[in-house]
Amino acid sequence: SAVISQKPSRDICQRGTSLTIQCQVDSQVTMMFWYRQQPGQSLTLIATANQGSEATYESGFVIDKFPISRPNLTFSTLTVSNMSPEDSSIYLCSSELGAGAEAFFGQGTRLTVV
Amino acid sequence: EDKVVQSPLSLVVHEGDTVTLNCSYEVTNFRSLLWYKQEKKAPTFLFMLTSSGIEKKSGRLSSILDKKELFSILNITATQTGDSAVYLCAVEANTDKLIFGTGTRLQVFP
Repeated sequence: SAVISQKPSRDICQRGTSLTIQCQVDSQVTMMFWYRQQPGQSLTLIATANQGSEATYESGFVIDKFPISRPNLTFSTLTVSNMSPEDSSIYLCSSELGAGAEAFFGQGTRLTVV
Repeated sequence: EDKVVQSPLSLVVHEGDTVTLNCSYEVTNFRSLLWYKQEKKAPTFLFMLTSSGIEKKSGRLSSILDKKELFSILNITATQTGDSAVYLCAVEANTDKLIFGTGTRLQVFP
């Protein structure tokens, strides 16, 4: 599988501010996925990002809160906007090398909002 | 609505024990079932299962899928403290999205 470099690894942010998380893949990939994992919970898909088009958001997630960029086939960013303590979670990006291949993940970003 | 259910939610065992983790699913247009191990933040891939009845093995870990009964099991034999983690089951449908279960938290004590 390929490798995704995700940063920052962790951050502590003030409420009302925004944080942008970056993921760089060492291969060209068609789709990238962004997940949130709240404390004690499993992974919840936020959105799917294809290069050159707007991200597709899952129910309960909106672009104004979680804007996503996908400028090329190896890079994506997720911004958590106007943060509140409820946004404290691990955020993960993911991709796969093709149909039928397993998904692989970035190292995750642990966000704490105070 | 598609869903993936794992059991038990948590498990505490001693080194050397054998454990079986369960994953059942209801998903439209099933493509594959995957198992991941999550120790800190990033899940690491263990197995991908697409066909019924074919066991996949990697060292002390093995897994099998039953597409008729819609479930999979993950077995870990001779557990070690390093096996302590959350084990996640995920199902991929034709939408390319992964639907994750809640995970099983395994704690292995010396």
